[in-house]
Amino acid sequence: KNQVEQSPQSLIILEGKNCTLQCNYTVSPFSNLRWYKQDTGRGPVSLTIMTFSENTKSNGRYTATLDADTKQSSLHITASQLSDSASYICVVRRGYSTLTFGKGTMLLVSP
Amino acid sequence: DVKVTQSSRYLVKRTGEKVFLECVQDMDHENMFWYRQDPGLGLRLIYFSYDVKMKEKGDIPEGYSVSREKKERFSLILESASTNQTSMYLCASSSDRDSSGDTQYFGPGTRLTVL
Repeated sequence: KNQVEQSPQSLIILEGKNCTLQCNYTVSPFSNLRWYKQDTGRGPVSLTIMTFSENTKSNGRYTATLDADTKQSSLHITASQLSDSASYICVVRRGYSTLTFGKGTMLLVSP
Repeated sequence: DVKVTQSSRYLVKRTGEKVFLECVQDMDHENMFWYRQDPGLGLRLIYFSYDVKMKEKGDIPEGYSVSREKKERFSLILESASTNQTSMYLCASSSDRDSSGDTQYFGPGTRLTVL
């Protein structure tokens, strides 16, 4: 079954600290994996996209990794800010088909 | 910048009413999507469209229909609203010409409550 599992479900960290969000998938055949950020009351916005050949990709303080062998991805946030408080959604594309969404990790950055 | 707009941010309807949710994108995107988002379930695809007058069922099409008469507009229709359709509805669009892959650009969402 094609699934995307994210952990943890929710996370609270202090401002300035780092954190890592996890995404495990069983989607096959794999096409790409994308991380979205969704602020409360708004639609998701794409942060990064990872293809099979990419191991690491950065977007400012966000760094995504992909291990296609173990079918795992992570999103690392460095020096967190209050504006990082959001839901982070992992999305995997299967072949040329539609997307499989994870349920998201809710991150709260506390002052 | 791509802009996807949805006709309402908040909507309250009664059971049995016919409900129209409108979505408009301004970037000449070929593909448009309707999702619903519920706590603990994430985003689930209702319908999508790859071209004008074309529609495909997603994972949960029951109780919904769609219309795409113009390229920029994609409408979601609840023929007879029910309480289990209370949800956040998100519209998205994407382009076949996207060099970054298939980025989906989302609207702000419509929070629908069916009483």
